[in-house]
Amino acid sequence: GNSVTQMEGPVTLSEEAFLTINCTYTATGYPSLFWYVQYPGEGLQLLLKATKADDKGSNKGFEATYRKETTSFHLEKGSVQVSDSAVYFCALTPRGTGFQKLVFGTGTRLLVSP
Amino acid sequence: AAGVIQSPRHLIKEKRETATLKCYPIPRHDTVYWYQQGPGQDPQFLISFYEKMQSDKGSIPDRFSAQQFSDYHSELNMSSLELGDSALYFCASSIGAGASTDTQYFGPGTRLTVL
Repeated sequence: GNSVTQMEGPVTLSEEAFLTINCTYTATGYPSLFWYVQYPGEGLQLLLKATKADDKGSNKGFEATYRKETTSFHLEKGSVQVSDSAVYFCALTPRGTGFQKLVFGTGTRLLVSP
Repeated sequence: AAGVIQSPRHLIKEKRETATLKCYPIPRHDTVYWYQQGPGQDPQFLISFYEKMQSDKGSIPDRFSAQQFSDYHSELNMSSLELGDSALYFCASSIGAGASTDTQYFGPGTRLTVL
């Protein structure tokens, strides 16, 4: 089946620290991969995506590279800010015929302190 | 830019009551998805529609039904509500026939509390 595994949180960092949130997936074929972010009390916002192997998605200083050989899509940011505190969800949509619903990981809470 | 609109944002119901959640997709988006997010959990897919037809079905209870209308808005109807239905309900929309490369854009969610 299709599944996403994320590192457990919370991840606690000081401002300007380097961030890595690990994400690995299991899927038949080559899925599309996404990172969504959920700020407190808000909905899900697309952060970045990659649709094929070796693609790098990037947005707002965040990056993730689609690694087929390790079935991973780790999220990184060079210097986090307090405003990055949120829950981050890694997700995939399987490739194939039909309508492809998102399969989410369990989410990783990031807490950034000044 | 226009986003997905959901109403109401908050809803409080008693057990065994009914609830209707509404979703207005981004203009020109023809595919709508519904997800349920329990407290501290990841979103779980419920159901989706494309061009007013049901396109896929996930772990949606039989007590729930949904439809997409001619203006592409969608409604999720929930009957005989249970305490376990308390959750955040998200609607997402995309353009196209649900390909894996499509991006789903989420609304702010409706927080349903069942007492």
